[in-house]
Amino acid sequence: AAGVIQSPRHLIKEKRETATLKCYPIPRHDTVYWYQQGPGQDPQFLISFYEKMQSDKGSIPDRFSAQQFSDYHSELNMSSLELGDSALYFCASSFGGGKLFFGSGTQLSVL
Amino acid sequence: DQQVKQNSPSLSVQEGRISILNCDYTNSMFDYFLWYKKYPAEGPTFLISISSIKDKNEDGRFTVFLNKSAKHLSLHIVPSQPGDSAVYFCAASESTSYGKLTFGQGTILTVHP
Repeated sequence: AAGVIQSPRHLIKEKRETATLKCYPIPRHDTVYWYQQGPGQDPQFLISFYEKMQSDKGSIPDRFSAQQFSDYHSELNMSSLELGDSALYFCASSFGGGKLFFGSGTQLSVL
Repeated sequence: DQQVKQNSPSLSVQEGRISILNCDYTNSMFDYFLWYKKYPAEGPTFLISISSIKDKNEDGRFTVFLNKSAKHLSLHIVPSQPGDSAVYFCAASESTSYGKLTFGQGTILTVHP
């Protein structure tokens, strides 16, 4: 069965650069969630979208923005990257607010 | 402020025995609880969930128990298998925002053959 696809799997950036992470939900899933997991930490909720509209917001920095497109894929845009942004970024999708299915994550390293 | 806590960073169990993973929460608004399993380099995989209207939910070898008065839940795995070795995360949410999960720190379970 198709799963949540995230790209890229790994990303290396320098401080003050920008990064764009992409997430392709499971077909027919209408809700996308973004989570950030720092080294040795638990995943933290960033933001979610339902039917292309922001549905909930967590601890997402103002330097980050995200959107969900008409084909339901989502992109997380990160600007003015800081060393502390180095983390594993997970995307998850669900249908109608049901069970979340997570992607394998994007490992972002900021040097 | 850690609203979901897993106080045991690791647990080691013999194959065939019971694994018990514990989780405590502080937010009274949480009414939906989940357990996720995570292997290295993979995203969390849903295992089992329980709503606050229940005190037990069972799915095969996995059973989750919820004690609302104590704000405590536990995951029992019987019998434990070496393939169960992974990081287990407890998560909680409010019914108004099911996908906005608050995770615990995780417990590394190692099942020895």
